Amino acid sequence: KQEVTQIPAALSVPEGENLVLNCSFTDSAIYNLQWFRQDPGKGLTSLLLIQSSQREQTSGRLNASLDKSSGRSTLYIAASQPGDSATYLCAVMGTGANNLFFGTGTRLTVIP
Amino acid sequence: DAGITQSPRHKVTETGTPVTLRCHQTENHRYMYWYRQDPGHGLRLIHYSYGVKDTDKGEVSDGYSVSRSKTEDFLLTLESATSSQTSVYFCAISGLTGGSYNEQFFGPGTRLTVL
Repeated sequence: KQEVTQIPAALSVPEGENLVLNCSFTDSAIYNLQWFRQDPGKGLTSLLLIQSSQREQTSGRLNASLDKSSGRSTLYIAASQPGDSATYLCAVMGTGANNLFFGTGTRLTVIP
Repeated sequence: DAGITQSPRHKVTETGTPVTLRCHQTENHRYMYWYRQDPGHGLRLIHYSYGVKDTDKGEVSDGYSVSRSKTEDFLLTLESATSSQTSVYFCAISGLTGGSYNEQFFGPGTRLTVL
């Protein structure tokens, strides 16, 4: 079974800092990897999807990379803002549509 | 935002009663999913559907059944609710393009409490 780990579980940074969130997975046979944000009491918002054949994806201040062979992905957030405060989740799709596994997330707080 | 709604948004019920949660999409996506989210476990897949009347089990399917009679609706039923099914339930949808699974989009969630 695929295991997805996100470290750290919580992170607090001052506004304006660049930061990196980490995601690791145990089985490199994946179709894709997706990053989400979740605000308290809310649903998940998709941030970036990286297909297994891709190395990275960018959207605005966000950049996600994928190293499938080492089982790692990072989410880079540039020039962090208080509005970036949320929990960030990493999810890996394995060998089929019923095979999506989530990490438990990194709770990010950006201090004004 | 993807057009996904869930109903009800909150429900309190008693042990042993049947409960049905509804997910409705307006995106005409092929795949629909039900997840539960619990502290310390993250999100776990309960059941998913890959087309009308085509469903399959996920990681934590015991005690749950699903039905999909129309592309836009996916129902999750707890036949006899137990306290261990107290959770937040999320519906998600996705498509398939050129053999690659697309992004999953999530609904707002249903908070279920079983007393």
